[in-house]
Amino acid sequence: RKEVEQDPGPFNVPEGATVAFNCTYSNSASQSFFWYRQDCRKEPKLLMSVYSSGNEDGRFTAQLNRASQYISLLIRDSKLSDSATYLCVVKPRGYNKLIFGAGTRLAVHP
Amino acid sequence: ETGVTQSPTHLIKTRGQQVTLRCSSQSGHNTVSWYQQALGQGPQFIFQYYREEENGRGNFPPRFSGLQFPNYSSELNVNALELDDSALYLCASSPPGTSGGLGKTQYFGPGTRLLVL
Repeated sequence: RKEVEQDPGPFNVPEGATVAFNCTYSNSASQSFFWYRQDCRKEPKLLMSVYSSGNEDGRFTAQLNRASQYISLLIRDSKLSDSATYLCVVKPRGYNKLIFGAGTRLAVHP
Repeated sequence: ETGVTQSPTHLIKTRGQQVTLRCSSQSGHNTVSWYQQALGQGPQFIFQYYREEENGRGNFPPRFSGLQFPNYSSELNVNALELDDSALYLCASSPPGTSGGLGKTQYFGPGTRLLVL
């Protein structure tokens, strides 16, 4: 079983749609959680951290459920520029490394 | 841009050869991590260097080795290249005081795309 699992997609949605991505992680000792965005043939870039209380950044909302070991990302009012691969990332406690999921591809069309 | 640079941008090698990839960390960052990203996969942690010492290693064989220099730049060396080593190699740097492991403080370079024939 992979340490971080995501639905690979692709998710094809029209502009203005709301789309949700899910992610599960296997290590209950995981400490920190993030969503990264990766454009085609580019490096990953931090989109947002994820907190147990839930957090929002503009059109993006992230949620963490430690009991279920489940992370989500909600994108409202999708834009063409949101088209990318979204990577769910976990940092295990006591380790100086990031563990990435395989990513979920989003394609927003006019 | 993150200020992390990598060279070369692209590289083609044949099986059995050796390769050296280079990374210059963002100014003031003393920790460098290396990741391998195969096509269609997320980045996989190779190892991390902090103050010129290896500070954690992922599930990669010994033919993957590295160095960090006093100016905090770093090299990734891969010996006896295999076809499966074809991937995007990413370097990420972190500033002091973060233990190199906090995601919000790991800044990725643009990567080196390696093709092994």
